[in-house]
Parts: sequence; C-alpha cells; structure tokens
Amino acid sequence: KAGVTQTPRYLIKTRGQQVTLSCSPISGHRSVSWYQQTPGQGLQFLFEYFSETQRNKGNFPGRFSGRQFSNSRSEMNVSTLELGDSALYLCASSESAGIAGYTFGSGTRLTVV
Amino acid sequence: AQSVSQHNHHVILSEAASLELGCNYSYGGTVNLFWYVQYPGQHLQLLLKYFSGDPLVKGIKGFEAEFIKSKFSFNLRKPSVQWSDTAEYFCAVNEQRGSYIPTFGRGTSLIVHP
Repeated sequence: KAGVTQTPRYLIKTRGQQVTLSCSPISGHRSVSWYQQTPGQGLQFLFEYFSETQRNKGNFPGRFSGRQFSNSRSEMNVSTLELGDSALYLCASSESAGIAGYTFGSGTRLTVV
Repeated sequence: AQSVSQHNHHVILSEAASLELGCNYSYGGTVNLFWYVQYPGQHLQLLLKYFSGDPLVKGIKGFEAEFIKSKFSFNLRKPSVQWSDTAEYFCAVNEQRGSYIPTFGRGTSLIVHP
C-alpha cells in the first residue's frame, strides 16, 4: 500500500502571499486531517475532511482553509501568509476519523520570510 | 479544555537502560489512547494504541504502555533501549464520542547514547 503523499516537501513564501498544499491519502481512507507542527506548540489540529465534507475544525483563523475531492485527495490553503505560519504541515489519513489511529505523511515544510 | 501532558520534554539514556515516558490527559469520559514515534528525518508512525480490554498494550519494537484509568495516565515503557530508539515520542488521546479528533501532547525527545 502506498503511504500518505504530501507535496511539495518544502516551500518558501513571502509574507502576504498565499500557498496551497496537497495530500493524497492511503487508498481507501476517506478521512483526511491536517495538523500544524511547530517546536513550541507541538501538533495543532487544523481540520478534518470526510467524503468531501469538512467535519471538524480546529482553532485557526479563516486564512486557513481546505477541501477534499471525490478521490479523497485533499488540499489546504493559507492566504495572506504571516511569519508565524512557518511550520511543518502534516496530513494524516485514517479509515475512520482517527479512531484506528492515523497514518501520517512526511509533511510540507513551509517557511514564510 | 481537554489536554494531554507529557512531562518529560527531553530524556537522555544509555543503551540497555530502561525507559518510561509519562503521559497524562484531562478527559473525563471514555478514551482511546495512542503513542506515535517520529524518527529523525521520518514521518510520524503509530507505535501502539489502546481502545479497551487489557490495559497493558504491546506495540512494535518492544514498546508497551499501561493505561491506568484512575490516574488518567498512559505511560510508555521499554525494558532496554537501543541507539535506534532515538526519536521524538508523542502521546495522543481522543474521546470515544463526538468528533474523535485526537489531541497530541507536545512530545518527548529521547536520545540514546551507544
């Protein structure tokens, strides 16, 4: 089984720009969750998609958004980037909303300058 | 607010030493519990999980964890660590109701000296 694939692996953006990150979950997994990982805050939950619907959302501003396609692939978008958005963004897929545990991708390292 | 605490932020051990990493949570209801590991340069991987039944759970690579409900704890143990166990370890907890979205602890960095 192929793992969770995230692209790109690295990104450098300027403040004020926007960025789109992509995640392809494990085949058959319909739940895709996104997390932001930073040294100071650990893993913070962004949102979860299931069958193209956002089912849960964390405490992040509206600049952070996402979507899921019919093939379960997911994208997250961050608009008007701020320096504090620099982080590792992790995608996790699951058969059922994390009940059985997640399979994580390698992440996208976003640096905002 | 629900929270997960990992009190040991950094642990340094010599090979063959025993390991115990603490994890406490603040949920009042029935929970699912997880330990994940992130080896240097690799993605997060599930180490073990507890849903119900025997509170002593065995995972991969010789790791085990014990769920003590009265103490709201799910500590990770290994009798004898190896250099290859050097990694970051994350405890995660979710409730068996509602959104099931797990909350992660901030992680414990383990360094094992050969």
